[in-house]
Amino acid sequence: DSGVTQTPKHLITATGQRVTLRCSPRSGDLSVYWYQQSLDQGLQFLIQYYNGEERAKGNILERFSAQQFPDLHSELNLSSLELGDSALYFCASSGRGTFKPNTGELFFGEGSRLTVL
Amino acid sequence: SQQGEEDPQALSIQEGENATMNCSYKTSINNLQWYRQNSGRGLVHLILIRSNEREKHSGRLRVTLDTSKKSSSLLITASRAADTASYFCATDYSSASKIIFGSGTRLSIRP
Repeated sequence: DSGVTQTPKHLITATGQRVTLRCSPRSGDLSVYWYQQSLDQGLQFLIQYYNGEERAKGNILERFSAQQFPDLHSELNLSSLELGDSALYFCASSGRGTFKPNTGELFFGEGSRLTVL
Repeated sequence: SQQGEEDPQALSIQEGENATMNCSYKTSINNLQWYRQNSGRGLVHLILIRSNEREKHSGRLRVTLDTSKKSSSLLITASRAADTASYFCATDYSSASKIIFGSGTRLSIRP
């Protein structure tokens, strides 16, 4: 158990809809990362937050947004969903006990599997 | 592409043999990490090597880093059926606050 919790585990929705994925990082971790993994593909970096602030952005679509709240949990919002958005969305956390955003090992949740029909 | 390159994309070996997979990256890094993913599950950290290190060991794992060639390799010795998984390298680039994953190597261990 990595200590990172993602909800929901599975989500089926229709094109054009909006969903919110939630991530609770490992206790004490300040950094949260979001990644997208399409079927049998590598992980695409979406966005990183550090202690509530956006730290880095990857190839995140304008239809997607995220935030990290004061209690350090994070949400990834996906809107105007398309078939191609179907994927596993992973959250990872790091940075316990340090003020440095990238301090090594990432702890991954089990992912949220999104299916867009 | 924001991803690094991993080679080979897929590898099938006999149980007991050694498995070697490679990762190349693009620009200067602070460190490089290797992760393992069982099918459809979350990734699990295996080992981290810093840019000033050349080799690191952890159990049956050996990682090397060649910063002049911008490449790393992961060696798994005496493979077991339970090693069947996808393996990813991840780079922490010096110039950007991102941790970028490679495309992965799918390893299958034949009994």
